[in-house]
Amino acid sequence: ILNVEQSPQSLHVQEGDSTNFTCSFPSSNFYALHWYRWETAKSPEALFVMTLNGDEKKKGRISATLNTKEGYSYLYIKGSQPEDSATYLCASLYSNYQLIWGAGTKLIIKP
Amino acid sequence: DTEVTQTPKHLVMGMTNKKSLKCEQHMGHRAMYWYKQKAKKPPELMFVYSYEKLSINESVPSRFSPECPNSSLLNLHLHALQPEDSALYLCASSQEPAGGAYEQYFGPGTRLTVT
Repeated sequence: ILNVEQSPQSLHVQEGDSTNFTCSFPSSNFYALHWYRWETAKSPEALFVMTLNGDEKKKGRISATLNTKEGYSYLYIKGSQPEDSATYLCASLYSNYQLIWGAGTKLIIKP
Repeated sequence: DTEVTQTPKHLVMGMTNKKSLKCEQHMGHRAMYWYKQKAKKPPELMFVYSYEKLSINESVPSRFSPECPNSSLLNLHLHALQPEDSALYLCASSQEPAGGAYEQYFGPGTRLTVT
C-alpha cells in the first residue's frame, strides 16, 4: 500500500520566522509531486507540481525542493506572515496515475 | 475563469433520501475528480472522469453514482447513504486526465451530513 507521510502534523511559528516541513513518499514508479495550500473555509490551492529529481520551485516567500531518489520533498516558508496559516498538503503521483495524498501539515503563525 | 464551483455548500439528508452534488468548471479541463475528505485525514479519491468518461472508480459503493453530462459538469448522485458517509466532498479538475504533472483546481466542497 502506497503511503505519503507529512511531518510535522502541526506547527506553530512566530510571525517573521522561517519554517519548513516534509513530505515523504515511496520513490518507486514516482511520476510527480504536488503541493497544495488549504486555508480554512476555502478550496485547496495548488502551489507547485514537481517531477524531476533536484527540482526546486519558488513562489514569493514559499519554495519547495524534490528528491525523488530518497523520496522526500521540503516546503520552505521564509519570513512567515499570518496569511500563511493554512494546512499544507502534498500528493504523490505514480506511473499508474494513482495520486496519493498526505494528511497535511497544519501551520499556525503567531503574531 | 479559474474557478471550480460546487453546490450545495451544505447538505443534510436522511438515509432514505436521494440527492445530488454538482460541480462545474469552465477552464476547458479534460479531467474531473470527486474526493471524500474526513476530518484530519487526507482527501480520498473516489472517481476520475477523463474526456467525460469514467476512468477511475476507487471501489466506491454503488450508493454513490457519478455522472458527467458534459465537459464542464460533474454530478455525484447519492442514494441510501449511511451516517459514516458524512464528510466533505470535494470536486477538482485538471488540464489533462489523471492529473499528470498538471495541478488540480479544487472547488470549495460540499459538507454532507447523513442523519
